[in-house]
Amino acid sequence: DAKTTQPPSMDCAEGRAANLPCNHSTISGNEYVYWYRQIHSQGPQYIIHGLKNNETNEMASLIITEDRKSSTLILPHATLRDTAVYYCIVRGRDFGNEKLTFGTGTRLTIIP
Amino acid sequence: ETGVTQTPRHLVMGMTNKKSLKCEQHLGHNAMYWYKQSAKKPLELMFVYSLEERVENNSVPSRFSPECPNSSHLFLHLHTLQPEDSALYLCASSQDRDGGRDTQYFGPGTRLTVL
Repeated sequence: DAKTTQPPSMDCAEGRAANLPCNHSTISGNEYVYWYRQIHSQGPQYIIHGLKNNETNEMASLIITEDRKSSTLILPHATLRDTAVYYCIVRGRDFGNEKLTFGTGTRLTIIP
Repeated sequence: ETGVTQTPRHLVMGMTNKKSLKCEQHLGHNAMYWYKQSAKKPLELMFVYSLEERVENNSVPSRFSPECPNSSHLFLHLHTLQPEDSALYLCASSQDRDGGRDTQYFGPGTRLTVL
């Protein structure tokens, strides 16, 4: 059973910021929020992860609410190559609790 | 990205064939995983190896046989498969530390079709 809820699909104009929401209201204190994306028929690509602080890397930013019950992945300047299914995943890093459970994700389409 | 490579990328086999999928990671990790992704289904974890020892086997049929000869290589040997085994098979790797397992990085997958 997925621990996260995401909208099934979103569109974003090329060059604009894409904001992908995720709800994880049952997250526990030692669980991280991970984001992966999967372009059609390819392996999932790691994007970013966080515990409670906001995080930024060369691909994206992750904003986690103070109560940790939801988060937003931000792609600051979306390009056509960002069209993919984006998965928000909650996982622990303890042995036995590190399983990645992919839900249905959000299909993001970047519009030219 | 060449951190985790998988060969072949595509494989078509009959139900009586024997074939093997290969995965190699160039990230210096010590844990490797096999996942199965069927059409319109979430990823399913099949096997986990840590330091070349199998640490998890999620009730996978015996027609799938994994092998991990060293921390950089992982194989999935296939025999007597069924058409419903057709799927994208993904390999991943991560670093096991005392505090748990770090981020998993995936290969491009092998698209398997069983006729």
